[in-house]
Amino acid sequence: SAVISQKPSRDICQRGTSLTIQCQVDSQVTMMFWYRQQPGQSLTLIATANQGSEATYESGFVIDKFPISRPNLTFSTLTVSNMSPEDSSIYLCSVEIGDNEQYFGPGTRLTVT
Amino acid sequence: GQQLNQSPQSMFIQEGEDVSMNCTSSSIFNTWLWYKQDPGEGPVLLIALYKAGELTSNGRLTAQFGITRKDSFLNISASIPSDVGIYFCAGRRYGQNFVFGPGTRLSVLP
Repeated sequence: SAVISQKPSRDICQRGTSLTIQCQVDSQVTMMFWYRQQPGQSLTLIATANQGSEATYESGFVIDKFPISRPNLTFSTLTVSNMSPEDSSIYLCSVEIGDNEQYFGPGTRLTVT
Repeated sequence: GQQLNQSPQSMFIQEGEDVSMNCTSSSIFNTWLWYKQDPGEGPVLLIALYKAGELTSNGRLTAQFGITRKDSFLNISASIPSDVGIYFCAGRRYGQNFVFGPGTRLSVLP
């Protein structure tokens, strides 16, 4: 398994600003993922972030809105840019370990006013 | 795209009862994962399944990889109050990302 931490755990932000969420893993991993979970909903994959390459974004998500960095094998950041109230959600990072097992961080609860 | 359905959407049970829930897809998957999410927390991996027909236990939890490879089942025996939460299934085809179901919300009556 993996121990994953995220910062901040929650934030309240004003419309039009940007927030960068950090994800730290206690071991080196190749594949990291960023998900969004809207209130009462399931998890939606935003992008896959592999070290040494550009992030791969899912349909409906673009780099200008959700830029991602992956500077090394234990760390990644997701920025939510030019926020609007519709961006209010929980943002989760996850990692893939071993044989197809995916582990999640505790999430960042974002409220945009 | 691929979609997963989970049944039931929610359930109330008496403490001590057994619980069954399932996850179905129109597509064949090669891996099934089951997660539990508590309020304000990230999903926690409960059980991973890799072969059709596979039956795997984790304490009071037992999950099965359906033989058609289009479904998976999770059973909880002798439920207790801390079983409350949302249970998500996730399925994956080779070379693709996991797809998550909408979740089954479990509430336990004391």
